Formats: sequence, C-alpha cells, structure tokens
Amino acid sequence: DAKTTQPPSMDCAEGRAANLPCNHSTISGNEYVYWYRQIHSQGPQYIIHGLKNNETNEMASLIITEDRKSSTLILPHATLRDTAVYYCIVRVFNNAGNMLTFGGGTRLMVKP
Amino acid sequence: GAVVSQHPSRVICKSGTSVKIECRSLDFQATTMFWYRQFPKKSLMLMATSNEGSKATYEQGVEKDKFLINHASLTLSTLTVTSAHPEDSSFYICSARDPLQGTTEAFFGQGTRLTVV
Repeated sequence: DAKTTQPPSMDCAEGRAANLPCNHSTISGNEYVYWYRQIHSQGPQYIIHGLKNNETNEMASLIITEDRKSSTLILPHATLRDTAVYYCIVRVFNNAGNMLTFGGGTRLMVKP
Repeated sequence: GAVVSQHPSRVICKSGTSVKIECRSLDFQATTMFWYRQFPKKSLMLMATSNEGSKATYEQGVEKDKFLINHASLTLSTLTVTSAHPEDSSFYICSARDPLQGTTEAFFGQGTRLTVV
C-alpha cells in the first residue's frame, strides 16, 4: 500500500469547515483513498473513500487532485464531536485481505 | 452499516493470567477478521488476520503462542492473551468486512482496553 503523509494535528473552530490534507505521491492507479477517524478510546469509523472523482456523503466530502497525489477530507460544519484522529489510507480496492495499514493520522481538535 | 461488537470493553487482570477478547459480527458473516493493537498516543498496528476455519496469520514480531486467535464461526473471532504481562496492556481492536455489501470499508469493534497489573 502507498505511504501517506498527514499533518500531526490541526485545530478548527466549531461550525467552520475542517479541511484535512493528505499526501500520497506514490499512489498507484488501482489504489483508492480511504478516510477513517478514531474518537478517543473507540474503534475507527469509516468516513469515505474514492478513486479519482470527488466524493460526498452525509459525513464528509473527499477532494482528490487530478494527479491523485494528494487529497483533502472536508467536514463542512465541524462540531465538537468531530474531535478525533483522522487517518488517510491508500489501498487497493477489494483485495482478499482487506486489512488496513494505519499511519500517524491527523489529530483534529474542534474548539468552541 | 454493518456492526462489529467487542467484549469486554475494558478488563483488568493480574500478571500471569489469560484474558479472552471476543469479536462478533452482529448482522453479517465475516470469513476474515483482523486484530489490531494500539498503544497510547500511537496508531493502530495489525497483529494478525483471523480466518474462519483455518489458522490465523500473524504479523512479524507478534507471538502466536502468546496471542491465541480462534475463528470458529463466521460471526465470532476470539483473541486470548496468555500469561499476560504489564507490557501487554494496550487497546485491542478487531475489524471485519461484510463481503456481501459490495463495498470495501472495514467495520471496527469498539475496542477492548486491557490493563495488566
């Protein structure tokens, strides 16, 4: 799986958009970008994934650059409950194992 | 979405004893489950892959005789930490995927915090 680079921490004001960047310059053509988050003392939670088109669901939007070397997860209106560690993971779609390799992630602190 | 449940959520045990952690897929069948370990302020590290009906596959550096994994049914995998020591104190998390959902996101249990005293 391609390696990802994320800033270790970010702050965001409550109600504002949180934009979390991820660099994955060695991504290969068949690898998807996945985002998970982990709230303190809980298991990770799936957020969104994409290949090359931008994606949106009820939780977030995922913007992938045209060259696919980086992406941004957008939480449009961050709340205090969005405080968590956000992991960007790049992996092949639907391989038999489906295990995930976690990097350091970004610790997002949403402040009132 | 699919639900993965772990039990117990928190356990304290004495050094030298064994502890069993259960991971259940509540509304789907999982032929493969994964066990992770997470130390404070660190990321999740894969320990082993649990395969229903066959032996687990362990990551390098993980002692298979210490961390016993049993995946006896399509909805249950167990991790037993044998002869636990304080350095085994950690947050243990399992995950599984519903192969029939047509998506690839993994679902995680809520984790088990093990403290060995």
